[in-house]
Amino acid sequence: RKEVEQDPGPFNVPEGATVAFNCTYSNSASQSFFWYRQDCRKEPKLLMSVYSSGNEDGRFTAQLNRASQYISLLIRDSKLSDSATYLCVVTSDKLIFGTGTRLQVFP
Amino acid sequence: GAGVSQSPSNKVTEKGKDVELRCDPISGHTALYWYRQSLGQGLEFLIYFQGNSAPDKSGLPSDRFSAERTGGSVSTLTIQRTQQEDSAVYLCASSGTGTGVRLGYEQYFGPGTRLTVT
Repeated sequence: RKEVEQDPGPFNVPEGATVAFNCTYSNSASQSFFWYRQDCRKEPKLLMSVYSSGNEDGRFTAQLNRASQYISLLIRDSKLSDSATYLCVVTSDKLIFGTGTRLQVFP
Repeated sequence: GAGVSQSPSNKVTEKGKDVELRCDPISGHTALYWYRQSLGQGLEFLIYFQGNSAPDKSGLPSDRFSAERTGGSVSTLTIQRTQQEDSAVYLCASSGTGTGVRLGYEQYFGPGTRLTVT
């Protein structure tokens, strides 16, 4: 089993839709969690950290479920500009990146 | 500089040759990471430098790979006797971290070096 697993997608959604991605991790000792965004042929950039209590940043909501060992990212009112690959990052003794979930928002 | 820079942006080399990839982190950032990303894959951790501490080399895939960081700033990743499976994008990231919380801070990535081994 991979340390961090994500559904590769692609998720194809219309503008305005709500979409959610999950990411599961295997190491129960994992300490910190993040979502990064990577545009095609570009470097990853931090989207948001994931806190135990859940956190929201505009249209984006991140949640952590330690009991089930997964984190989620919810995007509301999808925009065309949200089209990208979303990478889940989990840390224990080092950072582990997931392979990413591809999102394509269409008009 | 304003961000992390890497050079070259693209490198094509023949199998068996050695290559050096350079990373210039954000000034003042104490932590520096190297990753590689193959087509359709996630980021694979290679090596991590934090200040003057011994680097974490646990991700290096073979002894053909090595890296150094001079003066706590610029880093060079060297791949000896390159193989076709070494073809990937090599990404460098830096972050400004404190002792004991090295993994908890935002990483700023460079644009990467696309390595092609023919």
